[in-house]
Amino acid sequence: NAGVTQTPKFRILKIGQSMTLQCTQDMNHNYMYWYRQDPGMGLKLIYYSVGAGITDKGEVPNGYNVSRSTTEDFPLRLELAAPSQTSVYFCASSYRRVAGELFFGEGSRLTVL
Amino acid sequence: KNEVEQSPQNLTAQEGEFITINCSYSVGISALHWLQQHPGGGIVSLFMLSSGKKKHGRLIATINIQEKHSSLHITASHPRDSAVYICAVWSNNDMRFGAGTRLTVKP
Repeated sequence: NAGVTQTPKFRILKIGQSMTLQCTQDMNHNYMYWYRQDPGMGLKLIYYSVGAGITDKGEVPNGYNVSRSTTEDFPLRLELAAPSQTSVYFCASSYRRVAGELFFGEGSRLTVL
Repeated sequence: KNEVEQSPQNLTAQEGEFITINCSYSVGISALHWLQQHPGGGIVSLFMLSSGKKKHGRLIATINIQEKHSSLHITASHPRDSAVYICAVWSNNDMRFGAGTRLTVKP
């Protein structure tokens, strides 16, 4: 049982480049989330999904896009990367939206130069 | 001011010591989580609680809803407990995170 799998673990981008962070879970969870973690700050929600075909913005969505074509996959796309997007990104899933235990991926460290 | 505040920010202890990490929050919540983030980054859920106290091995988590405060205790600490401990609360259908407490346990 792999849980939540994120790729890549590390990536360096140049300003203006685009990339997709992949996230897949094998627990049949409806709810999936993308967070970013910046030094000295709590995790911030970028986007979330309550099921296949349904996504919504979180606290810090600007510069990102998501899609949810299947229950398993929830990719995060960065368009026109900026230095402010340098961060560690975590994908997570849960079996219910409110007060559900979160299962996290290992994180993806992104640097934009 | 953050809605979820943790103290201390950093904590160094000797192996075997009893450790307490505190979390205070300013919003109404439906549940509180304690998470552990190891060097290398992965985050795992330790506890989810909405009242009282939970225990798992050497870890104990308590919550006082009236005082909007939770504590995470580690008994007989060990170097493998070295990690960042994160408090997070469910409030208004969103999860809000503290900045974390970095714990180092020295042998």
